Amino acid sequence: AQSVAQPEDQVNVAEGNPLTVKCTYSVSGNPYLFWYVQYPNRGLQFLLKYITGDNLVKGSYGFEAEFNKSQTSFHLKKPSALVSDSALYFCAVRDSNSNSGYALNFGKGTSLLVTP
Amino acid sequence: SAVISQKPSRDICQRGTSLTIQCQVDSQVTMMFWYRQQPGQSLTLIATANQGSEATYESGFVIDKFPISRPNLTFSTLTVSNMSPEDSSIYLCSVPTSRDSVTQYFGPGTRLTVL
Repeated sequence: AQSVAQPEDQVNVAEGNPLTVKCTYSVSGNPYLFWYVQYPNRGLQFLLKYITGDNLVKGSYGFEAEFNKSQTSFHLKKPSALVSDSALYFCAVRDSNSNSGYALNFGKGTSLLVTP
Repeated sequence: SAVISQKPSRDICQRGTSLTIQCQVDSQVTMMFWYRQQPGQSLTLIATANQGSEATYESGFVIDKFPISRPNLTFSTLTVSNMSPEDSSIYLCSVPTSRDSVTQYFGPGTRLTVL
């Protein structure tokens, strides 16, 4: 099955510093990769995706992610963190092997805490 | 992006009862997805709801426990039947974007607690 792994349960960063939230993937074929963010008591919000093309993908709220095929990674980055970026971040991959062919397989999530 | 609403936003239910969750989208979509997020866990796809045909369930989920309706292209319901405390979760519906049918946008979720 197509899967992603988020090795960090929590990432702490000071406001204004760059942040990185890590994600590695295991897929057969070309991956469709996604990042979502979940704020407390709210649904998931789409940040960005990689399907094909440029390895550096830019998304909402100043976030970007770099697709690295040799390292099978898709890390989420932001040059300067804001306190309001504190939330739960999920990496996901489309699972073409699911019964529907459209399932998104999510990582376990990484809690980002940005301190003032 | 599509505007997705869910009802109820939260509920507390007794063991053995059933709850029906509604998902409404402001535009017509061919597929609607239902996910479960158990406490402290990630999201897992329950099933894909197709208009005019039976829902497609993922491994580990069955129609008797999670019956789904899809009466039209903007609406779907998920019923959690014969509930137990293990069903306490956030249930989210999602729809693919009209742009690429790959990205999914999610509703706000229904937080279910079973006592």
